[in-house]
Amino acid sequence: AQSVTQLGSHVSVSEGALVLLRCNYSSSVPPYLFWYVQYPNQGLQLLLKYTTGATLVKGINGFEAEFKKSETSFHLTKPSAHMSDAAEYFCAVYGGYNKLIFGAGTRLAVHP
Amino acid sequence: DAGVIQSPRHEVTEMGQEVTLRCKPISGHDYLFWYRQTMMRGLELLIYFNNNVPIDDSGMPEDRFSAKMPNASFSTLKIQPSEPRDSAVYFCASSFGDGNQPQHFGDGTRLSIL
Repeated sequence: AQSVTQLGSHVSVSEGALVLLRCNYSSSVPPYLFWYVQYPNQGLQLLLKYTTGATLVKGINGFEAEFKKSETSFHLTKPSAHMSDAAEYFCAVYGGYNKLIFGAGTRLAVHP
Repeated sequence: DAGVIQSPRHEVTEMGQEVTLRCKPISGHDYLFWYRQTMMRGLELLIYFNNNVPIDDSGMPEDRFSAKMPNASFSTLKIQPSEPRDSAVYFCASSFGDGNQPQHFGDGTRLSIL
């Protein structure tokens, strides 16, 4: 069965610092992987997705993620954090049967 | 283009009352999903529809919960009778094509049962 583990429920960075949010997945088939962001009082918004092809995926707002099959990872990065990046981030894997399996989420705090 | 629209945004009611949450998916999308988000359990899939037909309702917690999709542009999630433990944020999402396509979420309904 497919599953997602997000390491670190809370991550805090300084403005301008590198953002690294970790996601490991388990999948018995080639995975489809997603990162979503949730701002307060809003729904989830798609940041980026990996289906096939290039393993480095670029998304919106300067985020990118790299699919590493050997490590079963799909970590999200951004070179320089902005205050506006403060939000909760969810990694998800397609679980078959038209379902997405979401991780527990990582809350990112950005301080001046 | 309009995104997924949910109403109401907030609902406060007393236990035992019937609650109806509404969702309008993105036009042309053929999948519709209902999720519940809580601090304790995270994001849970309750039920999803394909072409207005319920496909999997295994996530619906109890018979008090029911969902319908009478047409391609409208769905409801109903709780009757409501209980305090139903308090959560309920999201509707829609997608087009295969189930591995990105889902587009509404802004949710924050439900509080007193």
